[in-house]
Amino acid sequence: QVQLVESGGSAVQPGRSLRLSCAASGFTLRSYGMYWVRQAPGKGLEWVALISYEGSDTDYADSVKGRFTISRDDSKNTLSLQMNSLRAEDTAVYYCAKPRDFGDSIPLFDNWGQGTLVTVSS
Amino acid sequence: EIVMTQSPATLSVSPGERVTLSCRASQSVSSDLAWYQQKPGQAPRLLISGASTRATGVPARFSGSGSGTEFTLTISSLQSEDFAIYYCQQYNNWPPGCTFGQGTKLEIK
Repeated sequence: QVQLVESGGSAVQPGRSLRLSCAASGFTLRSYGMYWVRQAPGKGLEWVALISYEGSDTDYADSVKGRFTISRDDSKNTLSLQMNSLRAEDTAVYYCAKPRDFGDSIPLFDNWGQGTLVTVSS
Repeated sequence: EIVMTQSPATLSVSPGERVTLSCRASQSVSSDLAWYQQKPGQAPRLLISGASTRATGVPARFSGSGSGTEFTLTISSLQSEDFAIYYCQQYNNWPPGCTFGQGTKLEIK
């Protein structure tokens, strides 16, 4: 079955960097555009980043544009999120999320990881 | 950005009751509207897409309706496992992204 396992979350100071990873199994990662979605403590969900199934196109929420970089390594079945210049408002659980449909498909997420917590605080 | 507003923020209900949750979009999203369920400590689960189409494995007691800017999620007879937070999500302005509502928490009365 589909499994997404995030890792890399931790507590960091403002301005520092962190790299999250998502290990995918049970499906052909290279066939799907993939997303990162975050959830601040006690808050709702926020789309963060998207990478096309070919890996050639990426896009970001305005709140992280210029600071975060999404990437993929299909040979290792891994999705990554490089987060630079972290701010307190980036504190959240970060999920990698798989769309229901293959290709560069609409963001209807039928599979999520368990999430990894990033805490940005001095 | 399309803003999604859910109401109420919290709803206290008894098992067996029928409940309706509301979601309003700041501009028309046609039928590009999904509902997710999230239980404590878990990732969200897709329930409804296209405003009214149940995802695979979702019980028939869940139904969605609406189009344009007004949407509802109805649970016909609440079961104990339905107490959770429900989020609506629009994907009309994809690509690239989407926006979620702030959620409605169903709690046991």
